Amino acid sequence: ILNVEQSPQSLHVQEGDSTNFTCSFPSSNFYALHWYRWETAKSPEALFVMTLNGDEKKKGRISATLNTKEGYSYLYIKGSQPEDSATYLCAGGGTASKLTFGTGTRLQVTL
Amino acid sequence: NAGVTQTPKFQVLKTGQSMTLQCAQDMNHEYMSWYRQDPGMGLRLIHYSVGAGITDQGEVPNGYNVSRSTTEDFPLRLLSAAPSQTSVYFCASSLGYGYTFGSGTRLTVV
Repeated sequence: ILNVEQSPQSLHVQEGDSTNFTCSFPSSNFYALHWYRWETAKSPEALFVMTLNGDEKKKGRISATLNTKEGYSYLYIKGSQPEDSATYLCAGGGTASKLTFGTGTRLQVTL
Repeated sequence: NAGVTQTPKFQVLKTGQSMTLQCAQDMNHEYMSWYRQDPGMGLRLIHYSVGAGITDQGEVPNGYNVSRSTTEDFPLRLLSAAPSQTSVYFCASSLGYGYTFGSGTRLTVV
């Protein structure tokens, strides 16, 4: 089972700030790295799935990068908005079917 | 398109009782998984399946059984409920990329 770690545990930013979070995982036996957004009282929602070293994905103001050689991924949010407030989860897997989740980064964006 | 449907949404059990948490998906996804979510622990994998008739254990399988007789359904059975199984349970499915999660079942064992 992969050991997936996320930092920081929580983050409080103001509207308009740009921010980033880190997900680290063992670089051996790696298959894919997932990012999910989890709003309170809802279910996790997939943002990105990355498999190749150097992968970069973007969806609106949110983007992610992957470094499989050193075992980390960054999630970036440009110009944070209150609606970005959520817990951001990353998950790693040695296969497509078996994911290990980190404990998440809780982001709070205030006006 | 219903996605992943979990029932029930809430359940209270007495210690020693058994029950089945239902999970159904209508997206023809091969992969299905059950997770439990506890404060400070994140999502932990209980059991998973890579297709009908194929299941395997995850990180925390003790006290739970699963079966996958059809592509659509992946029920999770609690054999003899214990207070340590108080948690929020999520079912998820995938074709091999991002997972689609159900809305969760909040289970309390007293």
